[in-house]
Amino acid sequence: QKEVEQNSGPLSVPEGAIASLNCTYSDRGSQSFFWYRQYSGKSPELIMSIYSNGDKEDGRFTAQLNKASQYVSLLIRDSQPSDSATYLCAVRLSSASKIIFGSGTRLSIRP
Amino acid sequence: GAVVSQHPSRVICKSGTSVKIECRSLDFQATTMFWYRQFPKQSLMLMATSNEGSKATYEQGVEKDKFLINHASLTLSTLTVTSAHPEDSSFYICSARDLSVLSTDTQYFGPGTRLTVL
Repeated sequence: QKEVEQNSGPLSVPEGAIASLNCTYSDRGSQSFFWYRQYSGKSPELIMSIYSNGDKEDGRFTAQLNKASQYVSLLIRDSQPSDSATYLCAVRLSSASKIIFGSGTRLSIRP
Repeated sequence: GAVVSQHPSRVICKSGTSVKIECRSLDFQATTMFWYRQFPKQSLMLMATSNEGSKATYEQGVEKDKFLINHASLTLSTLTVTSAHPEDSSFYICSARDLSVLSTDTQYFGPGTRLTVL
């Protein structure tokens, strides 16, 4: 079992709709969770971090964490073509300082 | 926000040469930096964790004698790819933790270095 799992996509969403990205993790003791966006040929940029169960909102983005289910998600409201990118879920393992990345979900926003 | 720079952004070299990549935290001190490698259409793979003033911790399968890491100061870590071969061609990305922000442990990424070995 991979430590961080994501659906590779591509996920195609019409412009203006809500894009929902999902991620599961295997280390039950993990405490820190991150969503990064990566455009082709560029390095990842942080979108959101979340540490507690529940929702965390920042503009059009909402991160959701459910530690009991070992599940973290990212919602993007009012999707824009500029949101088309690969979204990486990352988890900091409880036993170490390193962050483990999922394989990423390719999101495509169609006009 | 915290800024991490990398130099060079792109390098092309002949097989057998060594290449050094620098990673700097510009506006914060980073006791820990991380080096990742990313092949086309794949995710980031952690290569090693670099700690200021001590030896780096390498991930399983990463040759420490081939990928030399030095973290000589709180703002600079270097990765040297020794005797590079075409299979080492990849996108190398560093990141650093800003531990001055007590409530978070976010890692910030540099812009990456694209290495092409001919």
